[in-house]
Amino acid sequence: EPVLTQSPGSLSLSPGERATLSCRASQSAGSTYLAWYQQKPGQAPRLLIYGASRRATGIPDRFSGSGSGTDFTLTISSLEPEDFAVYYCQQYGYSMYTFGQGTNLEIK
Amino acid sequence: QVQLQESGPGLVKPSETLSLTCAVSGGSLSSSYWSWIRQPAGKGLEWIGRIYTSGSTNYNPSLKSRVTMSIDTSKNHFSLKLTSVTAADTAVYYCARVEVGATTGSHFAYWGQGILVTVSS
Repeated sequence: EPVLTQSPGSLSLSPGERATLSCRASQSAGSTYLAWYQQKPGQAPRLLIYGASRRATGIPDRFSGSGSGTDFTLTISSLEPEDFAVYYCQQYGYSMYTFGQGTNLEIK
Repeated sequence: QVQLQESGPGLVKPSETLSLTCAVSGGSLSSSYWSWIRQPAGKGLEWIGRIYTSGSTNYNPSLKSRVTMSIDTSKNHFSLKLTSVTAADTAVYYCARVEVGATTGSHFAYWGQGILVTVSS
């Protein structure tokens, strides 16, 4: 079963700063087969990035994704107050979907 | 815009069967995959399974023996049954539409708001 490991587990930053979140896959399911989600308390996850680097509809361009194979990164170029949330990466491979354990992005 | 809405009992007794339905509006179930995902309080996301319009299914191996998904295109909804539930099955259950791309993989583009199901006597 593929495993996705996110780092760091928690990140404390201030609005305006740059956030860099990492996701590492134990096996490659496809060079660009990775998605990122944002989840706020009491809400469903929201798709941010798919195909490793494609922004979903309506997602601001301060969010960007990069990487391929087994190492992927989500970058938020300049944090807005509404960006503080939990972020999950997700991959499909070997007939199943796997999520990372999440990175909690909190206000410093 | 596709919208999904979960419904079903919020409380299920241990050893009984959890049954949920996801109603889809703003689009049809045709030619798409549909999934169930759950999240225990304060924890991460766990994929339960997916179903295609045709009725073909894939399940998480860790839950496969207890899960059945079905789809009713005439009613524009799909369903989840999870048997022999325990307290460990207490979670928010989400339904979602799956998107698949040859170069982008597969991901969950649209989500329901989620429904809390508690397993307790």
